[in-house]
Amino acid sequence: SQQGEEDPQALSIQEGENATMNCSYKTSINNLQWYRQNSGRGLVHLILIRSNEREKHSGRLRVTLDTSKKSSSLLITASRAADTASYFCATVPTGGGNKLTFGTGTQLKVEL
Amino acid sequence: NAGVMQNPRHLVRRRGQEARLRCSPMKGHSHVYWYRQLPEEGLKFMVYLQKENIIDESGMPKERFSAEFPKEGPSILRIQQVVRGDSAAYFCASSPSGTLGEKLFFGSGTQLSVL
Repeated sequence: SQQGEEDPQALSIQEGENATMNCSYKTSINNLQWYRQNSGRGLVHLILIRSNEREKHSGRLRVTLDTSKKSSSLLITASRAADTASYFCATVPTGGGNKLTFGTGTQLKVEL
Repeated sequence: NAGVMQNPRHLVRRRGQEARLRCSPMKGHSHVYWYRQLPEEGLKFMVYLQKENIIDESGMPKERFSAEFPKEGPSILRIQQVVRGDSAAYFCASSPSGTLGEKLFFGSGTQLSVL
């Protein structure tokens, strides 16, 4: 089963709106990362939040982490058409070696 | 700075043939990871290598699949006697130090199609 599962699976919004994606995971973690994947391309790292952090910002991105609920959210503010992509959370489970484990992803479509 | 380079970008093989996928990590990176992605799914970990060493191959099928990262040259993911179920996008990622949980830098992937 997936260590991380994103919700929703797909999200369609208008340009300028905010997009929120959620990620749930099963085991304790060292950190949680969010990546973006444009169609047919590799993944690009967006932001990393450590297990002792609760919130982190990077430009239009805001990530929260709730280790008690084993969940994280990614908020993209003032979305643009160029934000259209799939977004994945990834975790390194505690004691799981050094392999990053990815969720199933949220497909975001931002329409003009 | 060149990023992670994968080639070929697309590879078509007939059932029973061999597929060789290459990955050159970013300059200065000595840790390489291979992932497989099926359509509409997330990435599944396959193998983690350092130069000349396989560190974790827990995600790689025991048969037909092998990986190496020699002292000189790119990392190679080799799939022998391919079957249709091997059709997928294969992504390579690299990191500089192998520090637990550090971010990965991904290549653009190789799309393998098995006829």
